[in-house]
Amino acid sequence: ETGVTQSPTHLIKTRGQQVTLRCSSQSGHNTVSWYQQALGQGPQFIFQYYREEENGRGNFPPRFSGLQFPNYSSELNVNALELDDSALYLCASSWERDYEQYFGPGTRLTVT
Amino acid sequence: LAKTTQPISMDSYEGQEVNITCSHNNIATNDYITWYQQFPSQGPRFIIQGYKTKVTNEVASLFIPADRKSSTLSLPRVSLSDTAVYYCLVGDVAYNFNKFYFGSGTKLNVKP
Repeated sequence: ETGVTQSPTHLIKTRGQQVTLRCSSQSGHNTVSWYQQALGQGPQFIFQYYREEENGRGNFPPRFSGLQFPNYSSELNVNALELDDSALYLCASSWERDYEQYFGPGTRLTVT
Repeated sequence: LAKTTQPISMDSYEGQEVNITCSHNNIATNDYITWYQQFPSQGPRFIIQGYKTKVTNEVASLFIPADRKSSTLSLPRVSLSDTAVYYCLVGDVAYNFNKFYFGSGTKLNVKP
């Protein structure tokens, strides 16, 4: 059974640029959630995708967008990067929006 | 959405039992209580979940009193490898797990 994987591991971008982060869900899972974790804080929910549709969104602006593909992998896109977007971005997959989410190792994004 | 309150940090010694309490005074009828563990530079890992009374698995026990306004995660005989941040989450099991809020968690430091 393959766990949740994310790419890239680390990323450095300049303010104003755009970034795409990728997530492959665990085998058999059809739901993917994205979280932003700033240093020293708990993960903050960005949005969730269920069967290729957005299933809910946290308190993040529209420049944070996403996609889920037919194989249930997902992308997180962030436009017009700001310095405060520097964080660990976590992807979690689950079966049918189940409470038990399986997290990937995250992508560390640094915006300079 | 039910907000949770946990101690910021706790210290313990190897071999001791550790109890971490979480307050969730505004818990709703449909809300379940879930605990996650997170090591540095890793995604959170599911520990245990419950609705009322007591739940036990191979890793931990979860105690929930009748009024469900608090819950206690119990870790038996902790080891150095249990040093991590522990998060208490409260969410509706039906279609609202897109609103998982982790809070700041409890940093457990296990000493030799």
